[in-house]
Amino acid sequence: EVQLVESGGGLVQPGSPLKLSCAASGFTFSSNWLNWIRQAPGKGLEWVASINPDGSSTYYPDTVKGRFVVSKDNAKNTGYLQMNNLRSEDTAMYYCARTLGGSRDYWGQGVMVTVSS
Amino acid sequence: DIQMTQSPSFLSASVGDRVTLSCKASQNINKYLAWYQQKLGEAPKLLIYNANSLQTGIPSRFSGSGSGTDFTLTISSLQPEDVATYFCLQHNSWPLTFGSGTKLEIK
Repeated sequence: EVQLVESGGGLVQPGSPLKLSCAASGFTFSSNWLNWIRQAPGKGLEWVASINPDGSSTYYPDTVKGRFVVSKDNAKNTGYLQMNNLRSEDTAMYYCARTLGGSRDYWGQGVMVTVSS
Repeated sequence: DIQMTQSPSFLSASVGDRVTLSCKASQNINKYLAWYQQKLGEAPKLLIYNANSLQTGIPSRFSGSGSGTDFTLTISSLQPEDVATYFCLQHNSWPLTFGSGTKLEIK
């Protein structure tokens, strides 16, 4: 059974860093893209980061570029999202997802990140 | 960036109705369009990929159509369990962008 389990969320102060993890099981992690998507409370979905299967290429929207870093450890079947210099507008549920938009698309249940003083 | 515009924002329909949701892209995205269903408190779930391909396990009352800039998600006979917000996603080019969603309720 395919599973993606996010962890590492919580309450942090503005300007702080936070690292999210996404533990994968039930499929060949090293053969799949990993993506992060967020959803602010009561709002829509926003794509945050993508990394290709071998980790050699990463992609970000301008809203997080230079602050967020996506990575994956294929030996540990785990993906990561390092978030630096967090702002109040980064407050959201963060989801990791396999292969967005294609037949192998699958999302975790999400982890909440709250940025507040 | 490609803007994805969904309409309507809110839709109320009766059980058994045929329901049509729209998603328009600000430029050509070929068929790189996916539809998601998100129920309250849950993660989004893929319904349709490549504009018109039904994801495994999704009921056949859901269908997708379109290419280029105009796309449609159709529910042929609305069921109570279809109450949810529906999002479209373009993955033709970076940055990936979602529509703002259509909230579907039962009348």
